[in-house]
Amino acid sequence: QSALTQPASVSGSPGQSITISCTGTSSDVGGYNYVSWYQQHPGKAPKLMIYDVSKRPSGVSYRFSGSKSGNTASLTISGLQAEDEADYFCSSYRSSDTWVFGGGTKLTVL
Amino acid sequence: QVQLQESGPGLAKPSETLSLTCTVSGYSISNNNYWGWIRQPPGKGLEWIGSIFHSGSSYYNPSLKSRVTMSVDTSKNQLSLRLSSVTAADTALYYCARRIQLGTWFYFDTWGQGTLVSVSS
Repeated sequence: QSALTQPASVSGSPGQSITISCTGTSSDVGGYNYVSWYQQHPGKAPKLMIYDVSKRPSGVSYRFSGSKSGNTASLTISGLQAEDEADYFCSSYRSSDTWVFGGGTKLTVL
Repeated sequence: QVQLQESGPGLAKPSETLSLTCTVSGYSISNNNYWGWIRQPPGKGLEWIGSIFHSGSSYYNPSLKSRVTMSVDTSKNQLSLRLSSVTAADTALYYCARRIQLGTWFYFDTWGQGTLVSVSS
């Protein structure tokens, strides 16, 4: 069982918006604003999409946004495109220089 | 452009020690940042194994700490991971990644392609 809880799957049609949740505890997601999100296409390495809860690395589309409320972080993808179909993982810092990840969410673009 | 490439035997026997290497190119492993190992069992989520600095300073996942050893070879620009007493539960795709400061904290921004390790007799 992964440290952070994500829905196993979400789906949406092109042009729509979807949100993926990531639930942790007050020792990780709720305790620090150090949440990140990764996108992983089949057979590829994970790609950093969001850091510091809501910031985007250079080159990541503005359609990707992040937020947090309490112990739950969220990734929202707006204007869904076929290329967004992938697995998405959340991650959070936990005290004492440790990191935790979520179980991953498979996004299907219908 | 920084690139990371994991390598190692694809198969290990139960109770043996697994050894993996990560070769870094386009970036000095001696720069001021940590490096990490993360694994992904087939069809499952990611699990952080640990992080190491070029000086050897390291932090490990408490659930794996008793079995994990990480090291750095600055002359070869390589990281190494050793995991002892492996079982089938250690079957996974093993990634190495660079951890750098972005914004207010540190994140794994660049990952290797991963190397699959199966534990079976």
